[in-house]
Amino acid sequence: DQQVKQNSPSLSVQEGRISILNCDYTNSMFDYFLWYKKYPAEGPTFLISISSIKDKNEDGRFTVFLNKSAKHLSLHIVPSQPGDSAVYFCAASETGNQFYFGTGTSLTVIP
Amino acid sequence: DAGITQSPRHKVTETGTPVTLRCHQTENHRYMYWYRQDPGHGLRLIHYSYGVKDTDKGEVSDGYSVSRSKTEDFLLTLESATSSQTSVYFCAISGQGTLDGYGYTFGSGTRLTVV
Repeated sequence: DQQVKQNSPSLSVQEGRISILNCDYTNSMFDYFLWYKKYPAEGPTFLISISSIKDKNEDGRFTVFLNKSAKHLSLHIVPSQPGDSAVYFCAASETGNQFYFGTGTSLTVIP
Repeated sequence: DAGITQSPRHKVTETGTPVTLRCHQTENHRYMYWYRQDPGHGLRLIHYSYGVKDTDKGEVSDGYSVSRSKTEDFLLTLESATSSQTSVYFCAISGQGTLDGYGYTFGSGTRLTVV
């Protein structure tokens, strides 16, 4: 069973607008959450993280929000840029080491 | 690329043959992982290691074995390759987790095709 779910396989956004990528999880013991970005033929690269002691973490154009009661996190990218076009994976862990990944959302930013 | 390399980058092999993929790191990180990426499944953990000769199974370990005889190398072996093991394999490393530093660094991947 998929413990981390990304229910939107794809998302298209106009350049300059906000991109919102969503992620849901089932295990209430998860305390560490990550977002990764992946370009074709490359390994995933770390984007931003959050732990359960926070409900928001911001890094430049990227903000991750965590709602533990709803078991939901989201990644906001604003403003979106064409170079943000990639597949985004969320991941969750109890310990901060062994992470479970979602199936990914393919973001296309239209110039 | 952050001190982690995978070899080979591409491989085609026949059903029933053994295959070994190598992950090499220069970061002296304690934890190493093997994931596979498949459409509709995202990244799934195969095996991981938390030290030399210390390994454990992940979500999809059947048909795979691993070995870690040195800190820097983590080998993934498909004992008898099957077509269902056609996938892209990623190695990842991580050190001791910190509040802002936890998470993996991934290698560039190995594309394996079993025919």
